[in-house]
Amino acid sequence: EVQLEQSGAEVRKPGESLKISCKTSGFKFNNYWIAWVRQQPGKGLEWMGIIYPSDSYTTYNPSFQGQVTISADKSTSTAFLQWSSLRASDTALYYCARRIYFDDVNGNLVDFFDIWGQGTMVTVSS
Amino acid sequence: IQMTQSPSSLSTFVGDRVTITCQASQDIRHYLNWYQQKPGKAPKVLIYNASNLETGVPSRFSGSGSGTDFTFTISNLQPEDIATYYCQKSDNPMYTFGQGTKLEIK
Repeated sequence: EVQLEQSGAEVRKPGESLKISCKTSGFKFNNYWIAWVRQQPGKGLEWMGIIYPSDSYTTYNPSFQGQVTISADKSTSTAFLQWSSLRASDTALYYCARRIYFDDVNGNLVDFFDIWGQGTMVTVSS
Repeated sequence: IQMTQSPSSLSTFVGDRVTITCQASQDIRHYLNWYQQKPGKAPKVLIYNASNLETGVPSRFSGSGSGTDFTFTISNLQPEDIATYYCQKSDNPMYTFGQGTKLEIK
């Protein structure tokens, strides 16, 4: 079974660092992109960035560039999202998601997030 | 590219036809997906490439459009369709989501 299992809820103080994880199973980790999506309380979905574990090539949403770091460990099939200095505004539910892309029967590229983790709640408060 | 979704919320009756629109600020061809997020759950894709129904998704869900204007429709709304719906552009490399449409039943 294809699964993305995320680490548990975290509570941190402003200025602290944090690394949350997304452990994958049931598919070849190296062959799929893994994205991170933020959802602040009562708000919508924001795409943060995406990584290709095979070579760790990463693309960030400019809104998150420099604010977070996305990484991957091929040996454990796990993707990570980390902060070096948290802010109260980082309080949110964070999802990892697998990107699937392929050509359909008409030769059109299909590209979407097909499998999602259960989410990790991060609370930043003094 | 910005994605503008409307309405932000919708209150309707079981059995009704529901329509949500999503407008891209630039041409994204057919690279538009629709997700459903039920309360307390992760999102789930319903429609990809504007009009293709993901496997296992009921046929009362449909999508149309291309270029900058897209429509998502639920025909014969069911109680289990209560959720927030998001459009998402997928013309690499930015996967911007719309603001979401929260669906409620009267």
